[in-house]
Amino acid sequence: SQELEQSPQSLIVQEGKNLTINCTSSKTLYGLYWYKQKYGEGLIFLMMLQKGGEEKSHEKITAKLDEKKQQSSLHITASQPSHAGIYLCGADLGNDMRFGAGTRLTVKP
Amino acid sequence: EAGVAQSPRYKIIEKRQSVAFWCNPISGHATLYWYQQILGQGPKLLIQFQNNGVVDDSQLPKDRFSAERLKGVDSTLKIQPAKLEDSAVYLCASGSAGTTYTGELFFGEGSRLTVL
Repeated sequence: SQELEQSPQSLIVQEGKNLTINCTSSKTLYGLYWYKQKYGEGLIFLMMLQKGGEEKSHEKITAKLDEKKQQSSLHITASQPSHAGIYLCGADLGNDMRFGAGTRLTVKP
Repeated sequence: EAGVAQSPRYKIIEKRQSVAFWCNPISGHATLYWYQQILGQGPKLLIQFQNNGVVDDSQLPKDRFSAERLKGVDSTLKIQPAKLEDSAVYLCASGSAGTTYTGELFFGEGSRLTVL
């Protein structure tokens, strides 16, 4: 979706390293969602952010939404091979859920 | 709790043929979505249902794609006639009124279509 830009498109990191994925919208978001997809499978919900400045964590994954509610970052601490996959940001733009193009993460053992 | 069921998982057809995909959402989920995901891209919304009514079908190519959810439960997505550019994974997702506010949609494993 051109409404949501994700960067980088792909990322290769060594196991144990930290990494950050970004998601940017030209519009103010009602809600920003992070999903993970493994090849050949459906999407798995990670977390949702609604309030400007909000931050949520789950295990080693932390997501933040900026004050203007137009940019979000997903940070993984001490990456593991299990973190590998495609990370997608999704946005509630009023009526439905739209997605960015995704960031493909590879974690090298 | 059973997840979102989709079938078939894989389908190969020739261009100009027709194909149909089926989705059975999680029991009790009022909202159902069909997404098209082309290799290397994010999912693109095709149609959203709330019970058996259409909420948004603005991105559905209506000259060849159709979808229905007659009894507000399972849904069928049809393509007729198929074009080469329809090769993609078709994802079905469902959510309840509660999950609409949490953002958690539940996705099936998808139906992979190859058009030759």
